[in-house]
Order: sequence, then structure tokens, then C-alpha cells
Amino acid sequence: QQPVQSPQAVILREGEDAVINCSSSKALYSVHWYRQKHGEAPIFLMILLKGGEQKGHDKISASFNEKKQQSSLYLTASQLSYSGTYFCGTGPNTGNQFYFGTGTSLTVIP
Amino acid sequence: GAVVSQHPSRVICKSGTSVKIECRSLDFQATTMFWYRQFPKQSLMLMATSNEGSKATYEQGVEKDKFLINHASLTLSTLTVTSAHPEDSSFYICSARSPGGLFADTQYFGPGTRLTVL
Repeated sequence: QQPVQSPQAVILREGEDAVINCSSSKALYSVHWYRQKHGEAPIFLMILLKGGEQKGHDKISASFNEKKQQSSLYLTASQLSYSGTYFCGTGPNTGNQFYFGTGTSLTVIP
Repeated sequence: GAVVSQHPSRVICKSGTSVKIECRSLDFQATTMFWYRQFPKQSLMLMATSNEGSKATYEQGVEKDKFLINHASLTLSTLTVTSAHPEDSSFYICSARSPGGLFADTQYFGPGTRLTVL
């Protein structure tokens, strides 16, 4: 049930771009993206509800390919504050469950 | 925005004791709440889905008798770890699903509870 994310970890220099992918073996109803800092609860970034949908705010955006059961998170011109672990989250069409992906550790260095 | 509180934030207990963790949605009613467990450097693993007024739905491998969940009202769900053992030490996080609107399907997380069983 757990979506698989890639890469597992990435290190960037400030100002560089990154892409985090999320892939599910099950049909996706929606895709959520969260960022978690060490020792803290996850913080909601965005939700994509329809296949083909793209969203973004500031320099973080995401896309959702419903047919491929995939989503990608794009971080452009990364800032030090972007460091953390990113999780995608998905739920099925039926039922209430919600599963987090395997996680991607992102470290931005000066 | 929607706020979810969790109490306590940190608890240390002796092996064999029971620990209760509360999860409250402060400014909205949540018919569905989720309980997750997170071990160091791992993802959040869904333990159970808690529905107000009905029995919780547990994920495969999660012991119902050990992790008791009660969703007594639209704003409160509790997780009781019974007869806790050192292997139950973990970060427990609850979340509540928002009731509707633009972010109808968004989950809001509590700050988490760090459980250490000695």
C-alpha cells in the first residue's frame, strides 16, 4: 500500500533545483505532499485531486499523473529552509485509509 | 487553519504500564482521525483509522488489543498503549481529516507524542 519515493536522499546547494517522485501500485484518488523537520509533525504543502493537475506556491510545485499513478514535487531555487524529509501521501478511491510514501530526505547546504 | 493538539508531547514509562495519548481537533469536527507511528529515519506508518462512534479500522500487523483506540466525539480520539514494552518506544502522531471546503481531503497533524518505555 505504501507509495515508493525516489530518490531516498538528495543534497543540494542553495539555489539548485530538485525533483522528488512518488509512485503507487494502487490507483490514486488524490496525492498530498508534506515536509517534516526532525522531531516535528509533518507540515502540509499541497494536495492534488485530479489527474493532470499541477499546483504550486512560491517555488514549490507538483504534478499528478493519474494514469501512471505518479506524482512529482518540484523545488526550484532551493533555500536552506527547504531541508527536511518530504513525504507524499495517498488514499484509495474507497475507504478512509491514508498512506505515506517512503520519504525523501532533502538537505540544502550553503 | 485547522489545529490539532496532542497530549502528552512526551512520556516516559516503565515496561508493563499503559499510556494514553489524546488527539483533539480544536477548531473543527473530525469524523475521521488517523494514528501513525514513526521510528527514527523511517516513514509514518498508519496504525489505524478512527471513526467517530464506531470501531477503529486497524492496519495489518497492528494488535488491536495492545493499541486501543476510542473516538468518543467529533473532536477527540485517544490511543492507549497497553502493557507497553521497550519496542513500543516510538513517535506517535495523530491526524484529523478536515470537514470540507477547498482542502476537503487535507489532513492536519498533531505535534506528536514521543513515547519511551524503559
